[in-house]
Amino acid sequence: EVQLVESGGGLVQPGGSLRLSCVASGFIFSDHYMDWFRQAPGKGLEWVGRSRDKANSYTTEYAASVKGRFTISRDDSKNSVHLQMNSLNSEDTAVYFCARSEYRSAWIVFDIWGQGTLVTVSS
Amino acid sequence: DIQLTQSPSFLSASVGDRVTITCRASQAISSYFAWYQQKPGKAPKLLIYAASTLQSGVPSRFSGSGSGTEFTLTISSLQPEDFATYYCQQLNSYPLTFGGGTKVEIK
Repeated sequence: EVQLVESGGGLVQPGGSLRLSCVASGFIFSDHYMDWFRQAPGKGLEWVGRSRDKANSYTTEYAASVKGRFTISRDDSKNSVHLQMNSLNSEDTAVYFCARSEYRSAWIVFDIWGQGTLVTVSS
Repeated sequence: DIQLTQSPSFLSASVGDRVTITCRASQAISSYFAWYQQKPGKAPKLLIYAASTLQSGVPSRFSGSGSGTEFTLTISSLQPEDFATYYCQQLNSYPLTFGGGTKVEIK
């Protein structure tokens, strides 16, 4: 079965750090870009960032709201991608989703999503 | 950043109704555009990509159209399992952005 499973969420104090993980199964992980998204309680979806594949030197992209605080890394040998979150504030409270990015001809699609992991930033 | 304005934000409809949701982009994005369905407590589910291509396994009552700055998601005959929130997304440029969502509720 093709799936993504996130972990690592929880309660963290403002200014703290947290590392989320997303483990893939059922497909060739190393062939895909991987993205992170988030959704604040009762709000819409927000793209967080992207990790490209080895062929593209594992380069990354980030939303302005997290750039300089969040870092995406991946370990193809363990079929996993990680989101290191530092200097957290209340606006980072959200469910975080990882998603598989697939190219179909010229089109990028996010066809596989994890179930999400909740991050709560509060004192 | 490319802004996506989705309308309506809320829609009340009955089973069997034809439903249309619109998304307008702040600049032209060709067909780098997708629609998702999300149910409470669940991850988004891809419905349409490349503006009009139906994702495998998605019922044919869902269809997408548009290009450039105006896009439409149509559900030809609303089913009970279609009551959910729908989001549009542009994939033309970073940062990838979403519309504000349309919640479809039972009338």
